[in-house]
Parts: sequence; structure tokens; C-alpha cells
Amino acid sequence: RKEVEQDPGPFNVPEGATVAFNCTYSNSASQSFFWYRQDCRKEPKLLMSVYSSGNEDGRFTAQLNRASQYISLLIRDSKLSDSATYLCVVISSNDYKLSFGAGTTVTVRA
Amino acid sequence: GAVVSQHPSRVICKSGTSVKIECRSLDFQATTMFWYRQFPKQSLMLMATSNEGSKATYEQGVEKDKFLINHASLTLSTLTVTSAHPEDSSFYICSASPTGPGQYFGPGTRLTVT
Repeated sequence: RKEVEQDPGPFNVPEGATVAFNCTYSNSASQSFFWYRQDCRKEPKLLMSVYSSGNEDGRFTAQLNRASQYISLLIRDSKLSDSATYLCVVISSNDYKLSFGAGTTVTVRA
Repeated sequence: GAVVSQHPSRVICKSGTSVKIECRSLDFQATTMFWYRQFPKQSLMLMATSNEGSKATYEQGVEKDKFLINHASLTLSTLTVTSAHPEDSSFYICSASPTGPGQYFGPGTRLTVT
């Protein structure tokens, strides 16, 4: 079983729609969680950290469910510029090694 | 935010030659940098952890004699792909962090071996 798994999508949504997707992780000792955004042929960029209490950054909301070992990302009022691949990242210890999901592709259409 | 640069951004080389990729932290010092490889439509895979002043730590399955890592200073790590073959063609990305677990990534180097 992969350490981090994501639904690859693609999620094709119209502008203004809400889209949400999850990421599951297998290591119950995982401590830190992040969502990164990766545009085609570019490096990943940190979108937001995921806190136990859930957190929101503008149109983006991240949730953590430790009992079921998954994190989620919700994008409200989708913009064309939100089209990207969203990578789930999990850190299981303090050695700063990141485990990546394969990414969920979101395409927002006009 | 913190800035990490990589050079070159794109390189094409012939099979059997060696290629060096540089990763620099521009506005912070990094005792640890990470090297990843990403094949098309796949996740980033950690290749090795580069430690300033000491040997790199390689992940299982990564040949240390083929992928030479040197972390000579607190702002520079290099990855040399020796005797490159077409199957080494990939997107190589480095990352570093000034503090904490969040990582900043370099822009990546696209290597094509012909």
C-alpha cells in the first residue's frame, strides 16, 4: 500500500463551482500535512498547511481527520487559475522528509 | 518567502555523459537539502537527503555511485548524474527549508538523455 494516496481525477468543474477531494495516508504516526500545488512542468509550491482543527485560506479550506487518516482540500468559487495538480504531502517524523501523493488534477473551465 | 534556485532548468545530453545540477538557497542557509525525481504523471520521489559537510543519505533503490551529491556549503548542493542513460530522463527538483518542516522547491531541471 502506498504511503500517501490520492484520487488522480481529473476533476473538471465550471468556474464558480466548489470542488473537494481527499488524500489518505497509511502511517498513523504522521505529524505534519500540507497541500502543494503543481502547475504543468513546474515545481510544487506550498498552498497551505493542514492543521488539526482545520484551516481556511481565502477560497481554500483544508481539513484533517486523524481517526480515518485522511486530509481534504476544498476549493470554493473556482477560478480558471485554480487549474493545477494538487499534491498531498505528509511528514511522518521530524526528519523533514516529505511523502507525496501522486496528485489530483483539477481543471476549471469557463 | 524563501527562494531556492536550480541550474540548469533544462539540459539535453547524450547517453554515457555526466550532467551536474546545482541547487542554491538564495536567502537562507540550509544544512539539509533534498533531491527528488518526478517522472511524467507520477509523484515526486525522494532520491536522497543532502547534508552539508557530510555524505548524502540515499533512499532505497537509488544508486549512490550514479547520482553523486555534494553539499559543499550551506547554500549549495549539487547532483551529478553520471553515465546518464535515457531512463534517467526525468524532472529533478531540489528542496530546502530555512526552518521547520515546510519545504521550498527549486524550479526543477528537466533532463533529457538521448
